[in-house]
Amino acid sequence: EIVMTQSPLSLPVTPGEPASISCRSSQSLLHSTGYNYFDWYLQKPGQSPQLLIYLGSNRASGVPDRFSGRGSGTEFTLNISRVEAEDVGIYYCMQALETPLTFGGGTRVEIK
Amino acid sequence: EVQLVQSGGGLVQPGESLRLSCVASGFTIRDNYMSWLRQAPGKGLEWVSVIYGGNSAYYADSVKGRFTISRDNSKNTLNLEMNNLRVEDTAVYFCARALFYDHSGSFDFWGQGTLVTVSS
Repeated sequence: EIVMTQSPLSLPVTPGEPASISCRSSQSLLHSTGYNYFDWYLQKPGQSPQLLIYLGSNRASGVPDRFSGRGSGTEFTLNISRVEAEDVGIYYCMQALETPLTFGGGTRVEIK
Repeated sequence: EVQLVQSGGGLVQPGESLRLSCVASGFTIRDNYMSWLRQAPGKGLEWVSVIYGGNSAYYADSVKGRFTISRDNSKNTLNLEMNNLRVEDTAVYFCARALFYDHSGSFDFWGQGTLVTVSS
């Protein structure tokens, strides 16, 4: 199965400052369609996960434009241009190239 | 408005069975890849199963042979039949819809989650 490795494990952030989370996959997630089958999710405390970024770099409906996804192949990054208090939670990366779909271990983002 | 409302779950003993349901509204489940995922207490997310197409299904190795995913198109409901439950199956279970029609990821809508506890 494809192994997803996220870093850092924990990320203390200051409101208004940028933040970045990395994710690496054990094999390329670039599909023959030209898309990377890779997503980012945010799970806020006590809530179900929500889709932030799909196919590597596309913001899901309703996601603020301070969130952006970059990368291809095996290296991906989620950037938050200016963190807001509502962005706290656990961020997960996930590969959807093949079953079993697999997630990174998560990055806990908290306000300093 | 798209919604996924889950039911089922609860406390069972090892070896027992349980059925989870996920009623969809605002879309037709037979047209989408639909998955079950779970989250053990204090742990990360784990994909469990997907159903798509006619009735094609895939499972995580940890549940293969014990869990069965199915759809009731007449009720627009996704089900997960869980047999021979183990302590390690204890988790909050989520149903989720895939955004696209040609692959199983990019879950754009999630159910509220339901807790399954397996304990003697």
